[in-house]
Amino acid sequence: EPEVTQTPSHQVTQMGQEVILRCVPISNHLYFYWYRQILGQKVEFLVSFYNNEISEKSEIFDDQFSVERPDGSNFTLKIRSTKLEDSAMYFCASYGTSETQYFGPGTRLLVL
Amino acid sequence: AQSVTQLDSHVSVSEGTPVLLRCNYSSSYSPSLFWYVQHPNKGLQLLLKYTSAATLVKGINGFEAEFKKSETSFHLTKPSAHMSDAAEYFCVVSPYSGGGADGLTFGKGTHLIIQP
Repeated sequence: EPEVTQTPSHQVTQMGQEVILRCVPISNHLYFYWYRQILGQKVEFLVSFYNNEISEKSEIFDDQFSVERPDGSNFTLKIRSTKLEDSAMYFCASYGTSETQYFGPGTRLLVL
Repeated sequence: AQSVTQLDSHVSVSEGTPVLLRCNYSSSYSPSLFWYVQHPNKGLQLLLKYTSAATLVKGINGFEAEFKKSETSFHLTKPSAHMSDAAEYFCVVSPYSGGGADGLTFGKGTHLIIQP
């Protein structure tokens, strides 16, 4: 069964550094998403992406965040200058024709 | 706009007894509703979904949920709990059959504890 994959599984970075989280969505899906889950809190929507541009973004997704689909398979989330409060689990998801968003296993980001 | 309220932050049941995880939703549209499960240190796995077909939805691992529009509820049930059901369960709402531009809206989660 096809699945969404994410790399790395864990990332530790220093405050102020840039990080790039990578996702490979399911190959025939057209909508892609990033969510985050701060420890002990609920999963929050960050951004949706369709046809090579952002479709919708939440108020969390400010100027320090960006997304890109650099080639036909990868979907990336870049955090330009990380803050302590960016520490969270980041989930990528993709959506096709089955009326379901499929989630990757997540990347746990720790900002020190 | 939509929102989800999971009425219990923790539910503890004995192995072999029924499970009930409660969820109420609010939506401006005819929503699609989902239950996802998250085992420790794992990603989010879809348990089941309601997308305007049958109101009683069966999912994986013996779980089912009933969509009740009059009560704006989508409670998750299982007749007999198993130790492997111990996990975090999220009730989720979407206005667009689970996709589209808008992201999913998650409840805060219910931590299911199974006592031996």
